[in-house]
Amino acid sequence: DSGVTQTPKHLITATGQRVTLRCSPRSGDLSVYWYQQSLDQGLQFLIQYYNGEERAKGNILERFSAQQFPDLHSELNLSSLELGDSALYFCASSSPEGHTETQYFGPGTRLLVL
Amino acid sequence: SQQGEEDPQALSIQEGENATMNCSYKTSINNLQWYRQNSGRGLVHLILIRSNEREKHSGRLRVTLDTSKKSSSLLITASRAADTASYFCATVSWDSNYQLIWGAGTKLIIKP
Repeated sequence: DSGVTQTPKHLITATGQRVTLRCSPRSGDLSVYWYQQSLDQGLQFLIQYYNGEERAKGNILERFSAQQFPDLHSELNLSSLELGDSALYFCASSSPEGHTETQYFGPGTRLLVL
Repeated sequence: SQQGEEDPQALSIQEGENATMNCSYKTSINNLQWYRQNSGRGLVHLILIRSNEREKHSGRLRVTLDTSKKSSSLLITASRAADTASYFCATVSWDSNYQLIWGAGTKLIIKP
């Protein structure tokens, strides 16, 4: 158990809809990362938040947005969903000690867009 | 963008044999990390090797780093069926503002 929690575990929705994925980082971790993993693919980095502020952006679509709240949990909002958005969405957290940046991953949310 | 490239993309070996996976990268790094992902699950951090280290061990895992060739290898000795997973390397560099830059992964299958 990494200490990172994600809800929901599974999500089935229709094209055009909007969903929110939630992540709670490990206790004490200030950074939260969001990743997308399509079937049998590598990880695509979406976005990072650090202590409530956006720190880095990856290949995140304009239809997607995220935020990190004062209690450090984070939400990833996916809107105008398309079939191609079906994927595993992972959240990871890390504590910026030195330059290690080891990341601890949650179990993921499996999104299926029909 | 992905910096690390693992090879092979897939590897299938008999239980008990050793498995070796390689990772190449493009820019100077601060450290390189290996992660394991069981099917459909979250990634688990295995080992981190810093740029000034050449070899590191953790249980049945042995990681080497050759910064002159910009490559790393992960050796799993005496493989077990439970080692079946995808293995990813990720690099951290000053250029990437300490973000993890991920490779595409090696899918390892251990046949009983």
